[in-house]
Amino acid sequence: QVQLLESGPGLVKPSQTLSLTCTLSGGSISSGDYYWTWIRQPAGKGLEWIGRIFSSGSPNYNPSLRGRVTMSVDASKNQFSLKLSSVTAADTAVYYCAQAVAGTRWFDPWGQGTLVTVSS
Amino acid sequence: DIQMTQSPSSVSASVGDRVTITCRASQGIYSWLAWYQLKPGKAPKLLIYAASSLQSGVPSRFSGSGSGTDFTLTISSLQPEDFATYYCQQGNSFPYTFGQGTKLEI
Repeated sequence: QVQLLESGPGLVKPSQTLSLTCTLSGGSISSGDYYWTWIRQPAGKGLEWIGRIFSSGSPNYNPSLRGRVTMSVDASKNQFSLKLSSVTAADTAVYYCAQAVAGTRWFDPWGQGTLVTVSS
Repeated sequence: DIQMTQSPSSVSASVGDRVTITCRASQGIYSWLAWYQLKPGKAPKLLIYAASSLQSGVPSRFSGSGSGTDFTLTISSLQPEDFATYYCQQGNSFPYTFGQGTKLEI
């Protein structure tokens, strides 16, 4: 059974880069059959799709974050990563990673999420 | 971006009740719609995909319907573990977007 676990700093200073990693267990990130996705939820707000990346690359990002987002896959560690640059308080949120079967457009499973706070 | 509007934003119900949540898309999305259940501190759970298909392992009291712009999630007989927040999500076009959520309270 596939499980995803987010990890990374819980506190990031304004203007710095937020870096998170999602580790996959129970499956292979390089199987080629999945998109690897990041979603976030600011406190008290709804969910926002950040973007996705195929195991071979070819990311798609939310235009609202374009220019600040970079996703990558590290098959040797069975991980994929999110980098968000020039963060502000508006980027404070719970960040989730999730899997989507190639050819589908929904997410399952998800990680439990990790809270990232942007504050000096 | 496609806007997803859920209603109600919150609903109070009792165990055994039937509850329906609606989701409206700002433009047609065919059947590219999913429903998720979120509970604090837990991984979100996919309930329904392709508007009406029940995800494996999800109890049959959950059902989805609709196509185009109007969709519904129905819980036929609420159980204690169903009290959570529910979100719809469109997968018709980038960026994928979610509704604002419906909090189901006792």
